[in-house]
Amino acid sequence: GENVEQHPSTLSVQEGDSAVIKCTYSDSASNYFPWYKQELGKGPQLIIDIRSNVGEKKDQRIAVTLNKTAKHFSLHITETQPEDSAVYFCAASRGNTPLVFGKGTRLSVIA
Amino acid sequence: GAGVSQSPSNKVTEKGKDVELRCDPISGHTALYWYRQSLGQGLEFLIYFQGNSAPDKSGLPSDRFSAERTGGSVSTLTIQRTQQEDSAVYLCASSLGPMNEQFFGPGTRLTVL
Repeated sequence: GENVEQHPSTLSVQEGDSAVIKCTYSDSASNYFPWYKQELGKGPQLIIDIRSNVGEKKDQRIAVTLNKTAKHFSLHITETQPEDSAVYFCAASRGNTPLVFGKGTRLSVIA
Repeated sequence: GAGVSQSPSNKVTEKGKDVELRCDPISGHTALYWYRQSLGQGLEFLIYFQGNSAPDKSGLPSDRFSAERTGGSVSTLTIQRTQQEDSAVYLCASSLGPMNEQFFGPGTRLTVL
């Protein structure tokens, strides 16, 4: 089955700097890669996703890149703000199968 | 509009007792998922319902865990003879279909003493 590894487990950045979180997956048939943000006491919320037919997707300060050959994908947050502080999860699936999540990255943006 | 709701928000129980956790998905969503999130860990898939198809139970950790989805809407996750290692946050999510965005509820924090 699918296995998703996520790094780093914790990340601290200064406000205004960029943050990068990386994930690798094992199942070459996976074709859907969402990223979720989880704030304290809340359920995860989708912030961006990418499907295997594209290599990059951007939404304002957030971007995701996908390298199918290497089986890894990354989340990039630019111009970080204190409200970006949260736990971020990557996930992968074949689309019609349940998501397999990474273990999460706790991002702290220091003002 | 209403999102996914879960009840109770917190549940404290004694080892050996049975518990029921409820999930109300977004109206019209055919897919419903249960996950478990242990402290500092990622989300562990438990069970998946899609329409009228037989559920995917491949993530259930033991036969003490079971789930139902009545009328294609509300779902109940039941844990029998709870153990301390069952303590976690149980999250429910729903989506329009299997390849659509999953919307998560706020979770039920289960503590087994």
